[in-house]
Amino acid sequence: GAVVSQHPSWVICKSGTSVKIECRSLDFQATTMFWYRQFPKQSLMLMATSNEGSKATYEQGVEKDKFLINHASLTLSTLTVTSAHPEDSSFYICSASKIGSENEKLFFGSGTQLSVL
Amino acid sequence: DAKTTQPPSMDCAEGRAANLPCNHSTISGNEYVYWYRQIHSQGPQYIIHGLKNNETNEMASLIITEDRKSSTLILPHATLRDTAVYYCIVRVAGNSGGSNYKLTFGKGTLLTVNP
Repeated sequence: GAVVSQHPSWVICKSGTSVKIECRSLDFQATTMFWYRQFPKQSLMLMATSNEGSKATYEQGVEKDKFLINHASLTLSTLTVTSAHPEDSSFYICSASKIGSENEKLFFGSGTQLSVL
Repeated sequence: DAKTTQPPSMDCAEGRAANLPCNHSTISGNEYVYWYRQIHSQGPQYIIHGLKNNETNEMASLIITEDRKSSTLILPHATLRDTAVYYCIVRVAGNSGGSNYKLTFGKGTLLTVNP
């Protein structure tokens, strides 16, 4: 199956700093990647849709200036949590759709656990 | 995307079949049924998907009712490693990418496989 690599797996940072999370499709090209956030014992919540070469589309209630998304190539999307605060502590997960595949399955990264002190 | 309804939790004995139900009574004609699962602290894993016909792969079987308003995921011989949250999601079909193909997760079913 297709592989989506997410890095780092976990990160601890101080309040006020910025953190970048990378999502790579290793063996396929993805014009679209999705970023999710998951709080403990809750389901995944879609944050934004990342489109290669264009601006990301954010879900309602998600601050685009706080969560910067860049999708510069067909295999890489990054999420930067700017000026992180403790309430941003969460599990962040990316997914990528394999273009050209019938009925398009989404493949997920292993997630990034962010802890803001 | 159409909403789905799943029981919050289920138990299954190791080695027995696990049958996970899902209701999607408002599904549209161009929407597929997808099943994913998430083991604790990991990203979701694709299991299977289908439109009308029953589907089977190395992981599971998917049974979709004739009116497509509900489906059942079957794990034929559950193991302890199948303990996870199972998500049933309906989504439009297509292969051109874009936000139309996002997956919207509900609360899923926590399947606990007991020894």
